[in-house]
Amino acid sequence: GAVVSQHPSWVICKSGTSVKIECRSLDFQATTMFWYRQFPKQSLMLMATSNEGSKATYEQGVEKDKFLINHASLTLSTLTVTSAHPEDSSFYICSARVAGQQPQHFGDGTRLSIL
Amino acid sequence: GENVEQHPSTLSVQEGDSAVIKCTYSDSASNYFPWYKQELGKRPQLIIDIRSNVGEKKDQRIAVTLNKTAKHFSLHITETQPEDSAVYFCAAKLTTDSWGKFQFGAGTQVVVTP
Repeated sequence: GAVVSQHPSWVICKSGTSVKIECRSLDFQATTMFWYRQFPKQSLMLMATSNEGSKATYEQGVEKDKFLINHASLTLSTLTVTSAHPEDSSFYICSARVAGQQPQHFGDGTRLSIL
Repeated sequence: GENVEQHPSTLSVQEGDSAVIKCTYSDSASNYFPWYKQELGKRPQLIIDIRSNVGEKKDQRIAVTLNKTAKHFSLHITETQPEDSAVYFCAAKLTTDSWGKFQFGAGTQVVVTP
């Protein structure tokens, strides 16, 4: 149980394009989903917390207009990297949890490469 | 906010030996401490967790100990095997955060040599 699916797993695109990443909880309802960014050999840095039906809460230093998050249902959250540039290249990972329960369950991550 | 420090950053052990990773946290109200294992390019996977009302928890070769007074918790891996090689992250759940956000440690690269 507690499977989180993330899609796509790998994206290569040109600078200036927008990229959408999906995070789905397959066998449970996720009231809260988290989006992380991970650079090589570094830790998981929380970007934002996404709650179903409400606006996402962004961590300090994360541009809301750059990283658009939508959590339209209890099983799906999306992260859109708008007007992506090479410095946005990173490993993006989502996690999900059931309200009132631990732990967070992680997706497989999306490796984003901006040329 | 919560600050989690993790040591060491790298750990090399001979197969069969034990490995210990230690984390300290700053918020005494933190009440949940998971450990994740991440292999290169893959998702972090929960290997063990402990709540603040428990001092120790064990699952086969893996154990976690928690010292609330000193605000530190440790991961113990016994009889290490090559497949234990990975990056291990500790985390602390922020009690004051209703959404259950984690603060992660910097990670420990564990290398088990045959």
